[in-house]
Formats: sequence, C-alpha cells, structure tokens
Amino acid sequence: GAVVSQHPSWVICKSGTSVKIECRSLDFQATTMFWYRQFPKQSLMLMATSNEGSKATYEQGVEKDKFLINHASLTLSTLTVTSAHPEDSSFYICSVGTSGGHEQYFGPGTRLTVT
Amino acid sequence: AQKITQTQPGMFVQEKEAVTLDCTYDTSDQSYGLFWYKQPSSGEMIFLIYQGSYDEQNATEGRYSLNFQKARKSANLVISASQLGDSAMYFCAMREASKTNYGGSQGNLIFGKGTKLSVKP
Repeated sequence: GAVVSQHPSWVICKSGTSVKIECRSLDFQATTMFWYRQFPKQSLMLMATSNEGSKATYEQGVEKDKFLINHASLTLSTLTVTSAHPEDSSFYICSVGTSGGHEQYFGPGTRLTVT
Repeated sequence: AQKITQTQPGMFVQEKEAVTLDCTYDTSDQSYGLFWYKQPSSGEMIFLIYQGSYDEQNATEGRYSLNFQKARKSANLVISASQLGDSAMYFCAMREASKTNYGGSQGNLIFGKGTKLSVKP
C-alpha cells in the first residue's frame, strides 16, 4: 500500500506561536489530501480537503485563517496552526487516496500540545 | 443525525474467541463504501477491510470479515480467533460517492465514534 509520512510526529509549542505539520505521499502522486483532527478519546473529524494547486476546502466551523493549508506539490501538503492556543492541542492526521482504488492511506499522525 | 453509529463504546473478548463490533450507517447515496480501521495506542490508522455498496458478497481479509446487511444499513466487523494484539480502538467509516471529487478514493471518510476492544488472556 501507499506510504504516507507526517512530520513532526509530536510537537510542543507555546501559546501564540505557529506550528507547521507536513504530510508527504512517498510513493505516488496525490491530487487530494485530507486533514483530520482527533481529540482525546474521540473520533476523527475532517478539517479540510487539500487540493493540489488550488485552495483548500474547509469544513464548517474550521477557521481557514487559523489552519492554513498549502498543497504546493503532488506529494506534499502542509497544515500550519497559526497563533496556537491550548484548545488546539490535538492529534492531527492526514490521509491520501489513490486514483482507481478505494483505499485511503493515513499518515502516522502528529500530536500537538500547546502550553 | 449521525452518519455512522457505533453503539459499543467498549467490548471485551477472551483470547481465541470471535467478536462482533457493530456499525450502522445512514446515507441516501446508492453508491458508497464502508471501511473499518484499527487504531492502536500509537495513534496510527490501520486499514482492515472495505465493503462497496454494490458488492454482493461480504468482504473478508484474513481474520476480519464484514457482515454487510444493506437493507438494515449495517456493516458489522467480525474478528475471529482474537489475539492480544487486537486490543485497540476500532472505527467504522463511510465514504459517499456524492461527496467524491474525482470518484474512487478521493472522497473523505466519515467516522463513527469508535469501539475500544480489549482482549483478555
């Protein structure tokens, strides 16, 4: 199956700073990537759909100016949490889909803690 | 209304026995896909099994099988011969064709709240 990496795997930052999370598709080109957020003991919730070469599509209630998504190439999407607050502490997971198949492949996730 | 409902927050099973994790879904699409993922404490999402809405046979992958009852809109996961390593969170998910940009796997998944499975030795 496809390999998806995320970097960093975990990060601790101070309130008010910005954090960038990278999602890389290592062995195929992904025109679409998805960003999910998972709070402790909860399910995954879609934040936004990242489209290569165009603006991301955000889900209702997700602030696009706070969660900046850049999908500049077919193998890389980045999520930047701007002016982070403790309530942004969560597990952020990206996923990619392959053309012609049904499976979605998930990255290992990034655990963000804002102090 | 919830799109994916998993009514069992937690389940216990004895090692080597079979266990069924429940999942019901709600969609008006005729074409959709149903997924089960395993999430161990490390957080990674591990794909287990997929069932397409037009698939007539229940999907099977090794010890995992999906009991697909379309009329009841249920897609229960059956794990046979449970192992200690099966202890994890299990999520049922759905992708609706109407939400897909390009068809295939390009649409996002909607997840249930998950079931925590604990396998007892």
